[in-house]
Amino acid sequence: SAVISQKPSRDICQRGTSLTIQCQVDSQVTMMFWYRQQPGQSLTLIATANQGSEATYESGFVIDKFPISRPNLTFSTLTVSNMSPEDSSIYLCSVEGGTGDDEKLFFGSGTQLSVL
Amino acid sequence: GQQLNQSPQSMFIQEGEDVSMNCTSSSIFNTWLWYKQDPGEGPVLLIALYKAGELTSNGRLTAQFGITRKDSFLNISASIPSDVGIYFCAGQTNSGYALNFGKGTSLLVTP
Repeated sequence: SAVISQKPSRDICQRGTSLTIQCQVDSQVTMMFWYRQQPGQSLTLIATANQGSEATYESGFVIDKFPISRPNLTFSTLTVSNMSPEDSSIYLCSVEGGTGDDEKLFFGSGTQLSVL
Repeated sequence: GQQLNQSPQSMFIQEGEDVSMNCTSSSIFNTWLWYKQDPGEGPVLLIALYKAGELTSNGRLTAQFGITRKDSFLNISASIPSDVGIYFCAGQTNSGYALNFGKGTSLLVTP
């Protein structure tokens, strides 16, 4: 299984500021995803982080608000820009690891974001 | 992404009891996965299912991939207090695609 390190694990931020979340994987992976989990809710896909090209965003999420970088096959960042209290959520990095029938999606431990 | 229908929403059981939860979809998935999430943590993969009809066990956990590819269930036998958490089902259409998640089943186990 892939080992995913996500930083920071939690943060408390002031509205109007931005936070960049890092996701580091211990092996090269093709697919990396960013999810949001609002309090008491399920996981919602924000975007697919593409290596060497712009991320692919899901409906309701835009690049200006959630810029994503993917400089190589082991690292990605998600920035939550111009934050408001509504952005208070857990943000999760996910990667697809393994090959063939053993392909699975793994998650980092998440970043708990609180916006005041 | 499509929202899966997961039930029950919550369960409150005694230690030693068996638990069953399920997930349905209006669309076909080629992979079904079950995750457990503890407070303040990311989801941890419990079982992955890749073939319709497949029945897979992981210790006290058993999951099945429905024949129609539109549903899956997870059973936990002889529950223990550390089984407490939120269980999510997830479906994947094809490799390389992101997951569609159910809303979760919150499990509470009393000693």
